Amino acid sequence: EPEVTQTPSHQVTQMGQEVILRCVPISNHLYFYWYRQILGQKVEFLVSFYNNEISEKSEIFDDQFSVERPDGSNFTLKIRSTKLEDSAMYFCASRGGTNPTGELFFGEGSRLTVL
Amino acid sequence: AQSVTQLGSHVSVSEGALVLLRCNYSSSVPPYLFWYVQYPNQGLQLLLKYTSAATLVKGINGFEAEFKKSETSFHLTKPSAHMSDAAEYFCAVSDRGSWGKLQFGAGTQVVVTP
Repeated sequence: EPEVTQTPSHQVTQMGQEVILRCVPISNHLYFYWYRQILGQKVEFLVSFYNNEISEKSEIFDDQFSVERPDGSNFTLKIRSTKLEDSAMYFCASRGGTNPTGELFFGEGSRLTVL
Repeated sequence: AQSVTQLGSHVSVSEGALVLLRCNYSSSVPPYLFWYVQYPNQGLQLLLKYTSAATLVKGINGFEAEFKKSETSFHLTKPSAHMSDAAEYFCAVSDRGSWGKLQFGAGTQVVVTP
């Protein structure tokens, strides 16, 4: 069964360092998303991406964040200078383009710990 | 802005008993509504969704949910709990113009006791 895969599963970094979280969406999917969940809080929408550009972003997604689809398979989330409050589980999701109300498929998440 | 409220952060249910997880949304226009499940160390998996067709929606693993506009609710039920239903359940909502941009509830942890 096709699935969304994310790497790394867990990353520990020092405050101020750059972090790149990687996602491989399902191969024929066209819409891509990042969500995050700070420990003990709700899952929050960060950004949606379609046709090589951001479709929508939340207030959380400030200039420290960027997304990219560098090749035909990967979808990355970069945090330029990490802060303590960026510690969270980050989920990537993708969906196909043929059904306008199609299911989002989520990866297992990448846990980021900022020290 | 859309939002959802899940009543009860933890629910304990006996194996074979009814599972009822409550979700209320706030919106002047009926949104899209979803229930997701998360098993330990796994991603979020869609259980079911409401997109304005039938108000009673059947999902995977024997779950169903009923959309009640008058009560702004979308409660999730399963007639008979199984040990494998132990997980965290999230209600989510999205605007009709922003499919994929989900607002999640805080989640309800379900424990199933023998």
